[in-house]
Amino acid sequence: QVQLQESGPGLVKPSQTLSLTCTVSGGSISSGDYYWSWIRQPPGKGLEWIGYIYYSGSTYYNPSLKSRVTISVDTSKNQFSLKLSSVTAADTAVYYCARVEVDTAMVTDYWGQGTLVTVSS
Amino acid sequence: QPVLTQSSSASASLGSSVKLTCTLSSGHSSYIIAWHQQQPGKAPRYLMKLEGSGSYNKGSGVPDRFSGSSSGADRYLTISNLQSEDEADYYCETWDSNTQVFGGGTKLTVL
Repeated sequence: QVQLQESGPGLVKPSQTLSLTCTVSGGSISSGDYYWSWIRQPPGKGLEWIGYIYYSGSTYYNPSLKSRVTISVDTSKNQFSLKLSSVTAADTAVYYCARVEVDTAMVTDYWGQGTLVTVSS
Repeated sequence: QPVLTQSSSASASLGSSVKLTCTLSSGHSSYIIAWHQQQPGKAPRYLMKLEGSGSYNKGSGVPDRFSGSSSGADRYLTISNLQSEDEADYYCETWDSNTQVFGGGTKLTVL
């Protein structure tokens, strides 16, 4: 069974860049059957899709965040990463990495446990 | 891009059944969605993929008490024999043009 685990700093200063990595185990990130996704959830609020990446490096981003987001993949380490630049307090959230199946539908079928990132000086 | 609309809250008694609704916006009534459950303090968990025909495929380990159905632009999640651990937030999800979309979520209270 596939497992996803987020890692990275829990505290980021305003205007700096948030960087997180997701390590995938129990399956290959190079499988053509999935996209690898980042989703966030501000405290007490709903889910917001940030973007995803295919093993080939193709990326798709939420238009509202596109100017600040970069998602990359390292197939040799079975990892993918998120960078969000120029962060503000509004970027404080639990950040989840997840797997999106590429089938008759594109829906999220596995989630990481999430990691809280607080933006504060 | 589709919009998914969910009621903000629902409640039902222990041992009873509840039907949660996710409504697709105009022009997107045929779309496939997914349902996710988020228990307090935990990550979301994938429950099922649900088609416009009402056909659904559940994730691994999802109890038989969870089922899905559809009518037009509405997608339903029915939970039977409610248990205390079913008290959670429930989100629907769909996609279009390489963009994922989530509904606002329904907070289910088990009385």
